[in-house]
Amino acid sequence: DAKTTQPTSMDCAEGRAANLPCNHSTISGNEYVYWYRQIHSQGPQYIIHGLKNNETNEMASLIITEDRKSSTLILPHATLRDTAVYYCIVWGSQGNLIFGKGTKLSVKP
Amino acid sequence: DSGVTQTPKHLITATGQRVTLRCSPRSGDLSVYWYQQSLDQGLQFLIQYYNGEERAKGNILERFSAQQFPDLHSELNLSSLELGDSALYFCASSAQTRAGANVLTFGAGSRLTVL
Repeated sequence: DAKTTQPTSMDCAEGRAANLPCNHSTISGNEYVYWYRQIHSQGPQYIIHGLKNNETNEMASLIITEDRKSSTLILPHATLRDTAVYYCIVWGSQGNLIFGKGTKLSVKP
Repeated sequence: DSGVTQTPKHLITATGQRVTLRCSPRSGDLSVYWYQQSLDQGLQFLIQYYNGEERAKGNILERFSAQQFPDLHSELNLSSLELGDSALYFCASSAQTRAGANVLTFGAGSRLTVL
């Protein structure tokens, strides 16, 4: 069973920041938060992951609340090529990467 | 190019047939994972291998089987194919050797069409 809750869809204007929320209220201490995206039937693409601290890489930033029960993926300057389904997944050392339904992000000109 | 190679990219076959999908992981990755994605469906985890040994099973049908070879490439065998087996099949690999963060790298997928 998916352990995260994400909005079904979101829109974002091109050039603006896209903020994708994720609730994971049952996350346990050793579980990481991972974000992947899938662009129209391509293979899922890893974006970023974090445990407790906020993380940033060349693609995005991940903000994790202090209680770790929710997080936000931030794409700082969304482009049309960022239109995709974004998956927030919590995963520890047991089990496997289980994908939920994700958020369909549409970046509009 | 993610470094995970899947062949064939496309495959069309008939019901009742058997096919083999192949996956070469990224260099150095010991784990291979297989996922199925049917039309408009989510990604379903099928099976995982680590260094040649089966590590975990998901919703894999008995008609499906997989293995990982000594050179670490993996094959997913699908037999007695049915129309409902038409899907994208993704392979992923990771380098995880102990508990902790485990980042999967996915291939481009094999699109299977059963007619």
